Amino acid sequence: DSGVTQTPKHLITATGQRVTLRCSPRSGDLSVYWYQQSLDQGLQFLIQYYNGEERAKGNILERFSAQQFPDLHSELNLSSLELGDSALYFCASSGAGGPETQYFGPGTRLLVL
Amino acid sequence: GENVEQHPSTLSVQEGDSAVIKCTYSDSASNYFPWYKQELGKRPQLIIDIRSNVGEKKDQRIAVTLNKTAKHFSLHITETQPEDSAVYFCAASAGSYQLTFGKGTKLSVIP
Repeated sequence: DSGVTQTPKHLITATGQRVTLRCSPRSGDLSVYWYQQSLDQGLQFLIQYYNGEERAKGNILERFSAQQFPDLHSELNLSSLELGDSALYFCASSGAGGPETQYFGPGTRLLVL
Repeated sequence: GENVEQHPSTLSVQEGDSAVIKCTYSDSASNYFPWYKQELGKRPQLIIDIRSNVGEKKDQRIAVTLNKTAKHFSLHITETQPEDSAVYFCAASAGSYQLTFGKGTKLSVIP
């Protein structure tokens, strides 16, 4: 157990809908990262937050947004969902173990029908 | 930005043999290189990492080597066991705390 938690574990929804994925970082970690992993694909970096502020953006679609709250948990919002958005979404956190050392949560498996 | 290439994409070894996975990176400013192991449907787990001021690091059957001049680093697993079967990802960080991942190597250890 990495200490990073994510909810929900599974999510099934329809095209055009909007969903929110939630992540709680490890105790003491200030950074949260979001990744998308499609079938047989690597880990695509989406976005990073540090202590409530956006720090870096990767290949994140305009339909996706995220935020980090004062208690350091983070939410990833996915809207106007398409079939191709079906994937595993991981969050990771870092900070207490070194700024670059990232620990991953268990992921949320999203299926868009 | 950083680009990380990982080879091979698949690797099969007999139990007890060694496995080597290689990665190259493009950004000479990169200074942190972790390796993650991911079992099917599970989270990537950090198994070992190395920083640019170190050439080699070992942890039991796992070792990582770094050649900064050539901009490549490798994962070595000795005495492989069936439970080593998984997808392994290398990554690099250029100090911005972002990790750029390779595309992964699927390792199969044949009993």
